[in-house]
Amino acid sequence: QSVLAQPPSVSAAAGQKVTISCSGSTSNIGNNLVSWYQQLPGTAPKLLIYENNKRPSGIPDRFSGSKSGTSATLTITGLQTGDEADYYCGTWENSLSVDVFGGGTKLTVL
Amino acid sequence: QVQLQESGPGLVKPSQTLSLTCTVSGGSIIGGDYYWSWIRQYPGKGLEWIGCIGRSGYTYYNPSLRSRIRVSEDTSKNQFSLRLTSVTAADTAIYYCARGRAVAGSMSFDPWGHGTLVTVSS
Repeated sequence: QSVLAQPPSVSAAAGQKVTISCSGSTSNIGNNLVSWYQQLPGTAPKLLIYENNKRPSGIPDRFSGSKSGTSATLTITGLQTGDEADYYCGTWENSLSVDVFGGGTKLTVL
Repeated sequence: QVQLQESGPGLVKPSQTLSLTCTVSGGSIIGGDYYWSWIRQYPGKGLEWIGCIGRSGYTYYNPSLRSRIRVSEDTSKNQFSLRLTSVTAADTAIYYCARGRAVAGSMSFDPWGHGTLVTVSS
């Protein structure tokens, strides 16, 4: 069981917007920066968002990240079928001195 | 651009040592402010950070695994490696190597290798 809580699944229609939450505590999200990763079926995770809200080169601006208090949110707009994947949040856990990940959220595009 | 590729045996017997190597191409593992990392993903899809090696060969390990792991580097081959001793079935996972970058104590990982499945079984 991860210290970062994510919903197991979310779904939305193509073209719509979806948000994925990542809930933590003051010992992780509350005092550290958050990253988000996309894992397409059968592939390795890929960095989508770093330092809460920054996008690596090549990541479309349809993907955005935010953080408030002890929670972080990944927002995807203009959903495409190619966005169907598992999404993970990650950050540093101060109490364990370890980098931690959320349990992952499976996105289905209807 | 930088690419990473894991290599090593896909099957390890219980109580033996798991050894994996990550070969980095398109960039050097020395000279940059990066943390060359190992991360594993269990069959149920959960991700676990294992450890990393940074500047000057300094290592950082997941406390839950510290007694069993060692991460090292071979700068002449532009590779870094993972050794995990006394493996059990619970160590069965896909093992990824990744380049980590730390800002304000938090790490982001980019890029990742393709991953290699390691099964612990007799």
